[in-house]
Amino acid sequence: DTGVSQDPRHKITKRGQNVTFRCDPISEHNRLYWYRQTLGQGPEFLTYFQNEAQLEKSRLLSDRFSAERPKGSFSTLEIQRTEQGDSAMYLCASTRQTEQETQYFGPGTRLLVL
Amino acid sequence: AQRVTQPEKLLSVFKGAPVELKCNYSYSGSPELFWYVQYSRQRLQLLLRHISRESIKGFTADLNKGETSFHLKKPFAQEEDSAMYYCAPLGGYNKLIFGAGTRLAVHP
Repeated sequence: DTGVSQDPRHKITKRGQNVTFRCDPISEHNRLYWYRQTLGQGPEFLTYFQNEAQLEKSRLLSDRFSAERPKGSFSTLEIQRTEQGDSAMYLCASTRQTEQETQYFGPGTRLLVL
Repeated sequence: AQRVTQPEKLLSVFKGAPVELKCNYSYSGSPELFWYVQYSRQRLQLLLRHISRESIKGFTADLNKGETSFHLKKPFAQEEDSAMYYCAPLGGYNKLIFGAGTRLAVHP
């Protein structure tokens, strides 16, 4: 499968713990996006990378959230001191400029904070 | 701020009936709009984009700048069309701004 992959697919953690998610975009896609989706809502933008540079962060991304994309390939999203309100589906998408901005989504990581 | 409204959470129709999923947006300038679809147990995927003016799986969507709408239509719904549909204009840095989505249920 050469699509966007995310790991893990599911994560259950206790409040206060740190969690890290990984996203592997489609090869040669230089743009990578993270979104968060809560029950009954559409995905909400979190952050955007062009190659290794993080160019935009949503106000939804509190200080407890950090994202990286070293070497412009895979990306990680870390949540420190998780709260119950962080429970959501975290989606990753990638694209390249020549794709006319079609974003290809991964399967998501479902996080449950107890 | 850019906003998109999908007024219907659920649209329930019978097979063969026409379908219209509503989408209204607020945007300054010329928006670029998309419809994304998520079938059961599958990932979110692009259905169509207004700039292409194409029909995908029998669905079409026309951008109406006067009414700021981008409704998705299909003349004859099929059971396999049952899915979650999201309208999404493109925002700054080409991020997608999703509506809350409409679940389409097509009954036999």
